[in-house]
Amino acid sequence: DTAVSQTPKYLVTQMGNDKSIKCEQNLGHDTMYWYKQDSKKFLKIMFSYNNKELIINETVPNRFSPKSPDKAHLNLHINSLELGDSAVYFCASSQAYGVSYEQYFGPGTRLTVT
Amino acid sequence: AQKITQTQPGMFVQEKEAVTLDCTYDTSDQSYGLFWYKQPSSGEMIFLIYQGSYDEQNATEGRYSLNFQKARKSANLVISASQLGDSATYFCATRRAGANSKLTFGKGITLSVRP
Repeated sequence: DTAVSQTPKYLVTQMGNDKSIKCEQNLGHDTMYWYKQDSKKFLKIMFSYNNKELIINETVPNRFSPKSPDKAHLNLHINSLELGDSAVYFCASSQAYGVSYEQYFGPGTRLTVT
Repeated sequence: AQKITQTQPGMFVQEKEAVTLDCTYDTSDQSYGLFWYKQPSSGEMIFLIYQGSYDEQNATEGRYSLNFQKARKSANLVISASQLGDSATYFCATRRAGANSKLTFGKGITLSVRP
């Protein structure tokens, strides 16, 4: 009965490869997010979707492409992986897109690019 | 743009004592929200407490309370009766009202609870 789940939890891959991270929420939320946490624990938003519509697209290389097949899923595909992509990626969801709605985070996916 | 400042270095507190984690923010918006999240060593991000900019009373959630001083733009987290399980990194975050607003996080404060 996990609220926000991500797969895989760990991902080790070589430079140049393409990989995907999947996220699912069973909370019935309308809004989903992708965050990147770097080695210094700084957390920054990458993308946000509301009802499958992209509403936030931060300054992220276009090698990163989110896809939301439905409200409960938001996947992140990364092309041509680089060393600097190594980080923990968090998926999150909130009930709606408003200032007072807290975001619930998934367990994170630790991506290591070698 | 909104900005969160968490400048305390690693914090230590004795078990069962109270501790205050500082957070100041910079915004020109009138309507915004303030959040605190906890990240234990296991890595997950756990929502703790929320305060709206128009809320007149300080938010409380169990042992957590938010000391909101709007004029000073501070939103300190107070943890009462610290427990060993409170050892974690704590993040303050803010979000303004309106379309396309995003949650902006501070750098975090690491708290260690001593037995």
